[in-house]
Amino acid sequence: AQTVTQSQPEMSVQEAETVTLSCTYDTSESNYYLFWYKQPPSRQMILVIRQEAYKQQNATENRFSVNFQKAAKSFSLKISDSQLGDTAMYFCAFTNSGNTPLVFGKGTRLSVIA
Amino acid sequence: DAGVIQSPRHEVTEMGQEVTLRCKPISGHDYLFWYRQTMMRGLELLIYFNNNVPIDDSGMPEDRFSAKMPNASFSTLKIQPSEPRDSAVYFCASSFPLWGSTDTQYFGPGTRLTVL
Repeated sequence: AQTVTQSQPEMSVQEAETVTLSCTYDTSESNYYLFWYKQPPSRQMILVIRQEAYKQQNATENRFSVNFQKAAKSFSLKISDSQLGDTAMYFCAFTNSGNTPLVFGKGTRLSVIA
Repeated sequence: DAGVIQSPRHEVTEMGQEVTLRCKPISGHDYLFWYRQTMMRGLELLIYFNNNVPIDDSGMPEDRFSAKMPNASFSTLKIQPSEPRDSAVYFCASSFPLWGSTDTQYFGPGTRLTVL
């Protein structure tokens, strides 16, 4: 069974600084998809970024980028120029091809401090 | 598009009562997922549908839980009878996979259920 591990329950960062959230996963599949979701206090699950395992290039969305290391089964999220609105729970998630359900990590609570 | 719609947003009920949670997926999406979020267990899948047919319900905790999808635009998750340990946030998500790819799952706002 696939598992997703987020080893940092809580993190904090100063406004405008850069922070990296860690995620590792375990799978025997060669093709799969990885996601980072953000859950602010409103509890809405918001997609931040996605990565296809067959793509070597790391995904980037504005201030958000990933460091995808397939051999190490690592998928970290880097947030640049942190903003107060980035304060939220961040979940790493995994799914195989074909729209199987997401497997989530336990989450990292990120606080951005003014 | 309005996104995935869930109702009610909050539900408070007493132990033993029946609870029905509702979900309207994004129009055109043919996959629908029900997830539950608790402090102890995190986010976990309960059941998912493809073209209104249940594909995997192995995450449904017990017989007190049931889910239906009578048409492409509506799904329900029912708990009868409810128990305090069912207190959680219940999310519905939908997606539309392109051939050879996996599309993103879009989540509704969730229903916070409290069973007293």
